[in-house]
Amino acid sequence: AQSVTQPDIHITVSEGASLELRCNYSYGATPYLFWYVQSPGQGLQLLLKYFSGDTLVQGIKGFEAEFKRSQSSFNLRKPSVHWSDAAEYFCAVSTTDSWGKLQFGAGTQVVVTP
Amino acid sequence: EPEVTQTPSHQVTQMGQEVILRCVPISNHLYFYWYRQILGQKVEFLVSFYNNEISEKSEIFDDQFSVERPDGSNFTLKIRSTKLEDSAMYFCASSDVGDWGGNTQYFGPGTRLTVL
Repeated sequence: AQSVTQPDIHITVSEGASLELRCNYSYGATPYLFWYVQSPGQGLQLLLKYFSGDTLVQGIKGFEAEFKRSQSSFNLRKPSVHWSDAAEYFCAVSTTDSWGKLQFGAGTQVVVTP
Repeated sequence: EPEVTQTPSHQVTQMGQEVILRCVPISNHLYFYWYRQILGQKVEFLVSFYNNEISEKSEIFDDQFSVERPDGSNFTLKIRSTKLEDSAMYFCASSDVGDWGGNTQYFGPGTRLTVL
């Protein structure tokens, strides 16, 4: 069955430290991969996406993600976290046979401590 | 920067009542979607819409749900007879013309629906 897994429900990180959020997918077709962020009371904001080409993609707010086909992963990273990065982060996948339907992971809540 | 807007931000209704959630997609986008997020659960796809037709719908999107693009700017989700389990945050999204699997969806801020 097709699935998107974010193994970490909750991550606490110190301001200035690095952050890595994990995402694994299980799909038969070519996946299109996305990371969205949801701040409290806000909607879903697109951070970055991967369709093809360079497997390391840059996004907004200093985030990057790396697609690793062999590991079925699309992990999100930021070298130095700011307090404003505290939010919930969602990995999402669509495929060519899904008519644009996004399937979301369960999300990872990031808490930033001083 | 263009954005998707949704109204109202919060809707409270009694069980059995009809509700209409409204969305204004980004103006040059042609593909529209509704998703929902029950508190503490994943964001779930409900329906996609293109060229005045539903393209795909999930098993959640039963006969109680309908979507419409009543004019050139609005996209609505109607729930005919609300149930307690319809309480959720409902997100509208839109995307421009592009490869179906690879299009980029932009989301609105959501409408929180509370059914009492």
